[in-house]
Amino acid sequence: DVKVTQSSRYLVKRTGEKVFLECVQDMDHENMFWYRQDPGLGLRLIYFSYDVKMKEKGDIPEGYSVSREKKERFSLILESASTNQTSMYLCASSLHGTANQHFGDGTRLSIL
Amino acid sequence: KQEVTQIPAALSVPEGENLVLNCSFTDSAIYNLQWFRQDPGKGLTSLLLIQSSQREQTSGRLNASLDKSSGRSTLYIAASQPGDSATYLCAVRGSNAGGTSYGKLTFGQGTILTVHP
Repeated sequence: DVKVTQSSRYLVKRTGEKVFLECVQDMDHENMFWYRQDPGLGLRLIYFSYDVKMKEKGDIPEGYSVSREKKERFSLILESASTNQTSMYLCASSLHGTANQHFGDGTRLSIL
Repeated sequence: KQEVTQIPAALSVPEGENLVLNCSFTDSAIYNLQWFRQDPGKGLTSLLLIQSSQREQTSGRLNASLDKSSGRSTLYIAASQPGDSATYLCAVRGSNAGGTSYGKLTFGQGTILTVHP
């Protein structure tokens, strides 16, 4: 069965810290995605990757970067965490660009 | 820019009722449309995916329809059960005609469904 695993369910960090969120998929999927979900704003795409070492900006990339050194792993990096980055972060993967996206359980990140 | 709207924002029904969730989108140039379910504090689970050339998809008690020209989709849930309680999200995938979508989904805000015994 399809499995997308996010390394942490809950994470608390301090303003200014560099934060890493990790996502691993075991389905040999080409595409991986990072979203954030906020009340009243819904899910918004931060970054996605369609191949190893390839990345594309989504709708709200400011303050974030990503890394995809291996096919199965896609990391979201908050370069200098700020309180407005407190949110639920969801990772997803898909076999190809227009295929069904499979989601992880999310990481609830709090920046104090 | 694609915008997706879901109505109603919340719905509470007694067990056994048939119900309809609505989704509308502003740009009809879509590749496909997906309906997801999200349980509290969890990720999304895909329920149905409808290609732009299709009119409907069915899975068990769920039926999703798509009218691309009018920018509308509905999710029909038959004989609702308390276990159906969740947030239901509609998402549209942009057409690749512009060559830049790479499967980008635009989500609605969701409908919070409560089915009480």
